[in-house]
Order: sequence, then C-alpha cells, then structure tokens
Amino acid sequence: DAKTTQPTSMDCAEGRAANLPCNHSTISGNEYVYWYRQIHSQGPQYIIHGLKNNETNEMASLIITEDRKSSTLILPHATLRDTAVYYCIVRVGRKGSGTYKYIFGTGTRLKVLA
Amino acid sequence: GAVVSQHPSWVICKSGTSVKIECRSLDFQATTMFWYRQFPKQSLMLMATSNEGSKATYEQGVEKDKFLINHASLTLSTLTVTSAHPEDSSFYICSARRVNEKLFFGSGTQLSVL
Repeated sequence: DAKTTQPTSMDCAEGRAANLPCNHSTISGNEYVYWYRQIHSQGPQYIIHGLKNNETNEMASLIITEDRKSSTLILPHATLRDTAVYYCIVRVGRKGSGTYKYIFGTGTRLKVLA
Repeated sequence: GAVVSQHPSWVICKSGTSVKIECRSLDFQATTMFWYRQFPKQSLMLMATSNEGSKATYEQGVEKDKFLINHASLTLSTLTVTSAHPEDSSFYICSARRVNEKLFFGSGTQLSVL
C-alpha cells in the first residue's frame, strides 16, 4: 500500500498561510491524495483531494508535484480554529475488486499561534 | 453535507463482555463503510472494510472473530468487539462512502474496558 509521511508538528502565526507537506513517493498513477483534519477526539473532517492537478476550494488549496510524489496543503489565512491534526491520505485500490481503502499517514499537528 | 452518525459516543464495559457500535449514514446510501481504530496521539488505523450484503474485508493483523462487522443495510454497519479486554480500549471511528464521493466520518466511540 502507498504510504505517506508528514512532519510531526508545525506552528503557524494566525493570519498567515500554513503550508503542510506530505510525501507519497510510492503512490500509483490512479491513487488519489486526500486531506482530512481531526480536532481532538472527533471524527476527521474532509478538506480537499486531488489526483494530478492542483485543486482549490473554500477551505484550502492542494498543490501536487508533477511526479506526484509529494503534495502540499495550503491554508491561506490560518485561524486559531485551524489548530488540529492534518492527515494526508492515499486512496488505494484493491486488486481485482474495484473497491478502495483509505490509508492514513502519521499526521501533522498544526498549532496556530495568536 | 452528508452525515454519518455513530453510537454510542463512549462506553465502559467489564472485561469479557461484548460491545456493539453502530454506524449509520443518515442521508445517503453507503455501499461501503470503513472501521478505524485510534490509540492516543496516534493516527487512524484501518481495521476493516464493510460492504453491504457481503463479508467484511479485514486488514492484516485484525482478528475477524474478535471484531465482528455486519453491514446489513445500505445505511447501517455495526462493529461488535467480542470478549473485550483492556487492550481493546481505544477510539473507534467509522466512515461511509457515497458512490464516487469522499469519505464521511462518524464522531467516534471511546471504548474503555475495565
């Protein structure tokens, strides 16, 4: 299964952009990259996902390198409420079944500072 | 957005008893549901994939006789931890996937086995 690696923790000043990197060097051509975040003792919340192209929505932007071996989640103007653990996830297809599973990385604990 | 309801939010049980956790997709039909387990300060670990009307697919190292999964309808999957022991104490999270869409997560169940 494709694995992801992320820095353990990061700090970001309130109002500044938070850039969270993820390495997924073993990703296959048809495997999507998803980002979720988890606030303490809650279920993960969807942020964004992509395959090859960069993506943007109301929450964040996702930049995927051309070789797809890494990606960066960008929170353009971090607020205190963005303090959470951010997970980079690869959606892996199961051979012969047409189904998928979602493998979580180790996560980055982002702390937004006032 | 889509809502996944998980019940109970927390449960305390005696060693040797069984505990059932329910996961419902409230406003969509989920052909596939996933069960994760999370220990303190760790990432989510996929336990099994639950497919409506068929047997669950368990990840390597997860005992299928201990963690019974039933996906009897398109809106309900249950995880039963049989003969629970203190080492089974953990945060269990379910998620559901609508066809061609992202994962939606429940709020999790904190299990404490005494």
